[in-house]
Amino acid sequence: AQSVSQHNHHVILSEAASLELGCNYSYGGTVNLFWYVQYPGQHLQLLLKYFSGDPLVKGIKGFEAEFIKSKFSFNLRKPSVQWSDTAEYFCAVRVNYGGSQGNLIFGKGTKLSVKP
Amino acid sequence: EPEVTQTPSHQVTQMGQEVILRCVPISNHLYFYWYRQILGQKVEFLVSFYNNEISEKSEIFDDQFSVERPDGSNFTLKIRSTKLEDSAMYFCASSEDRAYGYTFGSGTRLTVV
Repeated sequence: AQSVSQHNHHVILSEAASLELGCNYSYGGTVNLFWYVQYPGQHLQLLLKYFSGDPLVKGIKGFEAEFIKSKFSFNLRKPSVQWSDTAEYFCAVRVNYGGSQGNLIFGKGTKLSVKP
Repeated sequence: EPEVTQTPSHQVTQMGQEVILRCVPISNHLYFYWYRQILGQKVEFLVSFYNNEISEKSEIFDDQFSVERPDGSNFTLKIRSTKLEDSAMYFCASSEDRAYGYTFGSGTRLTVV
């Protein structure tokens, strides 16, 4: 079965520090990749997604992610975090089965705490 | 920006009772989903729904669960006889096409006591 691994359970950074959250998935075929963010008390919001093309994807709020197929990874990055980035971040993968789409499979999430 | 709306935001129910969680997907979306997140755990897929029928369901979605789109706007999740372990945040999502990203609702926190 496909799985998504997020290695960091809780990351604590000071404002202006750089961020990288790891995400690895276990499927060897064609995938769509997503990062969602969940601010405290709010719903899941899409940060960015990768379907095809340029493996470096830019999303909202200064976030970006790089798809490295050989490493089965889709790490999320931001050069300088702000206190308002405090949230939980979820990586998700959707497998393409020769034209039909599977459902989103989520990682366990990484909680980011940014100290002012 | 269009939203997926879920009601109620929080529901407390006694074990063994039936609950219905309600969702209003985005109006032009055709694919609907329920996910849940038990506290401290990952978001898990429950069921997907398209063209008035279930297209896929997970092992979690057993006979105690059912979904319905009763009137063309609402999309409901029913748990027939709740168990303590059903306590979780339940998220509804919709998408215009399966190839697109999903839009999630703000969730319903279900507490079974």
